[in-house]
Amino acid sequence: AQKITQTQPGMFVQEKEAVTLDCTYDTSDPSYGLFWYKQPSSGEMIFLIYQGSYDQQNATEGRYSLNFQKARKSANLVISASQLGDSAMYFCAMREARGDDKIIFGKGTRLHILP
Amino acid sequence: GAVVSQHPSRVICKSGTSVKIECRSLDFQATTMFWYRQFPKKSLMLMATSNEGSKATYEQGVEKDKFLINHASLTLSTLTVTSAHPEDSSFYICSAWVGHGELFFGEGSRLTVL
Repeated sequence: AQKITQTQPGMFVQEKEAVTLDCTYDTSDPSYGLFWYKQPSSGEMIFLIYQGSYDQQNATEGRYSLNFQKARKSANLVISASQLGDSAMYFCAMREARGDDKIIFGKGTRLHILP
Repeated sequence: GAVVSQHPSRVICKSGTSVKIECRSLDFQATTMFWYRQFPKKSLMLMATSNEGSKATYEQGVEKDKFLINHASLTLSTLTVTSAHPEDSSFYICSAWVGHGELFFGEGSRLTVL
């Protein structure tokens, strides 16, 4: 069974608009961490934001925020005021406390920002 | 800040040859490193966990004899693709945890087997 599900293979968004990238996860481990990474065409993996399962507040990092709905097991990434440079692949990932430090990735969402 | 460096960034080789990819942690020690493989327009698939001073832990379906992993020091892990074939052509990327919660990735290595 997939542990990380990203249902949007591709998205097109107008520049300056906000965009939400969906991510749901599956785990029975009460302690886990959720991550979002950006991968531009160059291939590098850029860390965006982290949310711990016990964190009370939703994580925010500049224009990035994570909408953490624990009961629904969702961890959507919200990018406010999108920019052309935001065009990239975005991966949601999870690390389980009992998972030997492994981080498992979703299939990704390709985001296209339109001028 | 912490950096994970990977080399080479691109390599082209003939079918049947072996290729070694290095992953270094530049200003921190990494007892564990992770090797991923990524096909075009696909996600990162974890291949194995590299453990310093001991054998690597491979994910199900990954051939241990095909993808040799050595983690001889706290700053270096290597992945050797043995007897490479065109189907091994892919983007290989390593990563390591720093502190308690940030995973740093190498720049990735694009392997093309002719």
